[in-house]
Amino acid sequence: DTAVSQTPKYLVTQMGNDKSIKCEQNLGHDTMYWYKQDSKKFLKIMFSYNNKELIINETVPNRFSPKSPDKAHLNLHINSLELGDSAVYFCASSQAIGQEGTQYFGPGTRLLVL
Amino acid sequence: AQKITQTQPGMFVQEKEAVTLDCTYDTSDPSYGLFWYKQPSSGEMIFLIYQGSYDQQNATEGRYSLNFQKARKSANLVISASQLGDSAMYFCAMFSYGKLTFGQGTILTVHP
Repeated sequence: DTAVSQTPKYLVTQMGNDKSIKCEQNLGHDTMYWYKQDSKKFLKIMFSYNNKELIINETVPNRFSPKSPDKAHLNLHINSLELGDSAVYFCASSQAIGQEGTQYFGPGTRLLVL
Repeated sequence: AQKITQTQPGMFVQEKEAVTLDCTYDTSDPSYGLFWYKQPSSGEMIFLIYQGSYDQQNATEGRYSLNFQKARKSANLVISASQLGDSAMYFCAMFSYGKLTFGQGTILTVHP
């Protein structure tokens, strides 16, 4: 059984389009996250949600809007896509929000903006 | 601000040998957690091992152990008896002040 799943796995789109990435976890965790991994493999937190409430917004452009309909889902909507948005986007979840809360990652969504 | 540094862009090891991947960190948070993740060429992020800042003993998980030296602010990953399947990128990460910060990663190549 997949613990953290993301759809789609690959996303190729034109500049200016709007797209969404979905994330679901079946671990019963309270906290979910979105990370961006750039072309140099650098991973950076974008957002975190705890019990559907936004905890961290790491100076991400407001073209990125996360939505958490329930504790098991955290979707990422991106408006007006730009070339620089091309990256791998990872969803993750953890039981706890503190330092003991090991984060488990989804398989990643590879976004290519043309 | 918190910072994680991995100074080894790439490491090579012979199969069945042990290898140490370096990680240093900096934070003023008195309570933090240190993690190692593995990212194979297929791209997924796999959790390997966790060490809490107040843990007295070094963490171990199978062939993985974390050499935690708090005074030196280092959290090196030791992989014993390397296997070909250990070839991957390895990330050190620190949870402090509410977020997980990653190092630049080290690419490990295991030679037969």
